[in-house]
Amino acid sequence: DAMVIQNPRYQVTQFGKPVTLSCSQTLNHNVMYWYQQKSSQAPKLLFHYYDKDFNNEADTPDNFQSRRPNTSFCFLDIRSPGLGDAAMYLCATSRDRQGTDTQYFGPGTRLTVL
Amino acid sequence: GQNIDQPTEMTATEGAIVQINCTYQTSGFNGLFWYQQHAGEAPTFLSYNVLDGLEEKGRFSSFLSRSKGYSYLLLKELQMKDSASYLCAVFDSNYQLIWGAGTKLIIKP
Repeated sequence: DAMVIQNPRYQVTQFGKPVTLSCSQTLNHNVMYWYQQKSSQAPKLLFHYYDKDFNNEADTPDNFQSRRPNTSFCFLDIRSPGLGDAAMYLCATSRDRQGTDTQYFGPGTRLTVL
Repeated sequence: GQNIDQPTEMTATEGAIVQINCTYQTSGFNGLFWYQQHAGEAPTFLSYNVLDGLEEKGRFSSFLSRSKGYSYLLLKELQMKDSASYLCAVFDSNYQLIWGAGTKLIIKP
């Protein structure tokens, strides 16, 4: 039943130790998004893939990278996590990028940086 | 700059009605979404408005006035499970989704 799946749900890493978060979807949507959300704040878009076309937000730190090896999977790599990167990371998908295309979210991965 | 404003927190009583307002200033407009987000969980889609007027979906309704840059989410017959944050988000002219910080709704018995 799950349409957007994120693993793991909870991730603990050490300061500076690379970590990878994964997202998969069964909706066959063209667009996949990665958001960072800190407590009581709006989700902040990091980047998105439109098919294989990668779109980075201007203010996304270089520390954050993404890969989309196929339609179903997308990964978020944090190369050297800092304490400020502790947050909920949300993956979302949409059929296209038009106004009527709802974004469907996965359950999120809560990242803790020690 | 682009801006979405909504109240930080609201409190309502079980069984009552509550209206959560959202005002926006964005570069262009291609639709407005309301999402519900329970603590520690991902946002789930509630409604989409692109034309002026009221969209009703069960206990939830969403209203849009594009000329005023204004929307509201109306929740009727409140239940305890409606305690959550409600996020307003607008698609701008570049089809970027601009998010509000959310309104935390507390339901009291």
